[in-house]
Amino acid sequence: GAVVSQHPSWVICKSGTSVKIECRSLDFQATTMFWYRQFPKQSLMLMATSNEGSKATYEQGVEKDKFLINHASLTLSTLTVTSAHPEDSSFYICSASTGVGAKNIQYFGAGTRLSVL
Amino acid sequence: SQKIEQNSEALNIQEGKTATLTCNYTNYSPAYLQWYRQDPGRGPVFLLLIRENEKEKRKERLKVTFDTTLKQSLFHITASQPADSATYLCALGKGNKLVFGAGTILRVKS
Repeated sequence: GAVVSQHPSWVICKSGTSVKIECRSLDFQATTMFWYRQFPKQSLMLMATSNEGSKATYEQGVEKDKFLINHASLTLSTLTVTSAHPEDSSFYICSASTGVGAKNIQYFGAGTRLSVL
Repeated sequence: SQKIEQNSEALNIQEGKTATLTCNYTNYSPAYLQWYRQDPGRGPVFLLLIRENEKEKRKERLKVTFDTTLKQSLFHITASQPADSATYLCALGKGNKLVFGAGTILRVKS
């Protein structure tokens, strides 16, 4: 149980194009979904938190117009990297949670490696 | 801002021994702390959660301690196996937000 599917797993795109990443909770309904970014040998950096039907809450320093998050249902959240540039190349990981506070156990997708040429 | 420190160097141990990983933090008072395992190119997998009012938690071969005075958590894997080789992340939690450490690489040699 508690499986989170993330697609695509790897994407290469040209500079200036937009890329959409999907995150689905397959066997449970997620109260909250999270989007992280991870650089090699570094920690996961929280980008934004999203709840179904409401606007995402972005962390300080994350451009909301560049990283568009849509949380259409309790099982699906999408992250769109708009007008991608080489500096946006990174490993993006989503997670889904059913609990709050100390019950906030996050189930992670396998991640998406984005390479912008 | 909060700072989380995990052993930056890899921990190499022999199969069968106990692996002990450390997570120290400053400028933060988490309500709970979690440990995750991450394999290369994959997302983290939840292992254990411990609340601020708990001293120790166990699950099979895993044990975690949490000392809010020292601002430290220790994560133990007993009778380690080569399959335990991975990166282990600690995460400090408050509300719905987790702040992750950079992780410690564990290598268990047979």
